[in-house]
Amino acid sequence: GESVGLHLPTLSVQEGDNSIINCAYSNSASDYFIWYKQESGKGPQFIIDIRSNMDKRQGQRVTVLLNKTVKHLSLQIAATQPGDSAVYFCAAGRENNDMRFGAGTRLTVKP
Amino acid sequence: DAGVIQSPRHEVTEMGQEVTLRCKPISGHNSLFWYRQTMMRGLELLIYFNNNVPIDDSGMPEDRFSAKMPNASFSTLKIQPSEPRDSAVYFCASSSGGSVNQPQHFGDGTRLSIL
Repeated sequence: GESVGLHLPTLSVQEGDNSIINCAYSNSASDYFIWYKQESGKGPQFIIDIRSNMDKRQGQRVTVLLNKTVKHLSLQIAATQPGDSAVYFCAAGRENNDMRFGAGTRLTVKP
Repeated sequence: DAGVIQSPRHEVTEMGQEVTLRCKPISGHNSLFWYRQTMMRGLELLIYFNNNVPIDDSGMPEDRFSAKMPNASFSTLKIQPSEPRDSAVYFCASSSGGSVNQPQHFGDGTRLSIL
C-alpha cells in the first residue's frame, strides 16, 4: 500500500535562510503530489502541487522538486519568515485513488 | 470569501453518545471530503463526495461512522455509538475538480473528545 513519510519530524531555521523539507513516497504509480501547510488550530492550507510529468515547479517563494527515480520530493522555501512556522505535509496520490498524507514536518523559524 | 465552515469547533461527549459533525463547503465546489487527523495516524481520508454522491468510503473505519450530503451546501459525519478511540480532529475539505488529486480547501476542523 501507499506510505508517505518525511525525513525529519522537526526543522529549525534562521529567519531569512532557505528551508528544505523532504518527503519520500512508496508507490511508484503515484502521479500527483501536493504540499500543505498547517498552522496550529487550523486546517491544512494548499501551498503547491506537481504532477509526475514535471520535476520542478515554482510558486511564490516556494519550489517543489520531484525525483521519480528515487521517489522523493522536496519543498524549498526561500527567505524563510516567522509566518512560515507551521507543520508541512506532503501527500501523494494516483488518479481515481485516495491521497496519502505524510506525518508532517514542524518548521520553526528563529528570529 | 467564506471558506469551508465546520461546526462545532469542539465537541466533548461521553462514549456511547451519538456525535454529528457538520460541514458547509465553499459555494460552487462540487467535491467534499471528510478527514480524520490523529497524532498516531496523521491525516486520513474517510470519505468523499462528488456532486453530493459518495464516491469512495473505503476510509470509513467501521459501521459506526456514516456520512451524508443531502445537498451541495451541507454534509454531516455521524458517529454512533462513539468510542474513546474516535477522539481526533475531523476536517472537512472541498474542491471544484471532482477528484481527490487536486488542491483542496480545508475547514478549521472539529476537535472531538470522547470520554
